[in-house]
Amino acid sequence: RKEVEQDPGPFNVPEGATVAFNCTYSNSASQSFFWYRQDCRKEPKLLMSVYSSGNEDGRFTAQLNRASQYISLLIRDSKLSDSATYLCVVTTSGSARQLTFGSGTQLTVLP
Amino acid sequence: NAGVTQTPKFQVLKTGQSMTLQCAQDMNHNSMYWYRQDPGMGLRLIYYSASEGTTDKGEVPNGYNVSRLNKREFSLRLESAAPSQTSVYFCASTEGRLQETQYFGPGTRLLVL
Repeated sequence: RKEVEQDPGPFNVPEGATVAFNCTYSNSASQSFFWYRQDCRKEPKLLMSVYSSGNEDGRFTAQLNRASQYISLLIRDSKLSDSATYLCVVTTSGSARQLTFGSGTQLTVLP
Repeated sequence: NAGVTQTPKFQVLKTGQSMTLQCAQDMNHNSMYWYRQDPGMGLRLIYYSASEGTTDKGEVPNGYNVSRLNKREFSLRLESAAPSQTSVYFCASTEGRLQETQYFGPGTRLLVL
């Protein structure tokens, strides 16, 4: 079983739609949680951190359920520029903050 | 600030050839990382360096070596390239604290024939 699992998609949605991505992680000792965004043939960039209380950044809302080991990302009012691959990322403890990446969910927002 | 830079951007090797991928960061970060990204596999950690002078194996270290030359630079060496090492390689850095962003370089696309 992969440590971090995501639905690979692709998700094809019209502009203005609301779309939700889910992610599950297997290590109950995971400490920190993130969503990264990766555009085609580019490097990953941090979209947002995910906190236990849930957090929102504009049209983006992230939720964490530690009991179910589940993370979600909701995008409201999708824009064409949201088209990308969204990576679910968790960290484990250790001397360095090692990130474990999901394989990503591909989103295409259609005009 | 340039952030994290990587050279080369592209490389084609023949099986058995060697090469070194270079990475440098100008953010005074303590920790640096090398990942590889393959289709459907996500990013996998090859090696990391928690601080200057230390290096540790990640998930997929076989066939690679690293050198943390100084605080700024972290290189990845393939001594004898194999087709299975065809991938996109990303270098990343972070200050090393909890809940912190990792900053990635633009990647090196490597093809081993």
